[in-house]
Amino acid sequence: DTGVSQNPRHKITKRGQNVTFRCDPISEHNRLYWYRQTLGQGPEFLTYFQNEAQLEKSRLLSDRFSAERPKGSFSTLEIQRTEQGDSAMYLCASSLGPQYFGPGTRLTVL
Amino acid sequence: AQKVTQAQTEISVVEKEDVTLDCVYETRDTTYYLFWYKQPPSGELVFLIRRNSFDEQNEISGRYSWNFQKSTSSFNFTITASQVVDSAVYFCALSESYQLTFGKGTKLSVIP
Repeated sequence: DTGVSQNPRHKITKRGQNVTFRCDPISEHNRLYWYRQTLGQGPEFLTYFQNEAQLEKSRLLSDRFSAERPKGSFSTLEIQRTEQGDSAMYLCASSLGPQYFGPGTRLTVL
Repeated sequence: AQKVTQAQTEISVVEKEDVTLDCVYETRDTTYYLFWYKQPPSGELVFLIRRNSFDEQNEISGRYSWNFQKSTSSFNFTITASQVVDSAVYFCALSESYQLTFGKGTKLSVIP
């Protein structure tokens, strides 16, 4: 049974650059979520898709962040003009019932 | 607004001891779900349990047990006969709709 996968696992970038992360959910799951986790904190909700429709966005998701799920399968999260405060672990989860998480993408902005 | 409080930041126990991780939540909804996740040093969040607000029956799964008390808004997690492999950060979470609201986690260290 294939779990949620995320790529890349690590990303180091310079401030001001754009980055894109990919999430592949468990194949039969129609719901997909993005969270952000900083050191010593629990994950914080960013956004949620049901199939290809983006149904909820947190106020944490500034206009530099955009997420897509074009065919209701994989999803991408793009951060434009990265800032040092964007450094965090970005987690993707998918669900039919409980949410199952991927391994995350650790972003470091220098 | 929903909120989850895990007052214990870090706990250390000696192997084979029992340990209880506390979770207190706040919500205005009558319908909600509660969760526990484990985050080992490798970093991946592992789902442990989901309970809905209408089911207050306690649950046991091997060495793990959960005590849900609506009257005190608590959903505590007990590990019996702890093992070194139980060392991890444990998160309690609440869901009213689809998004999860997490506590700050409790770091459990099991010492051999």
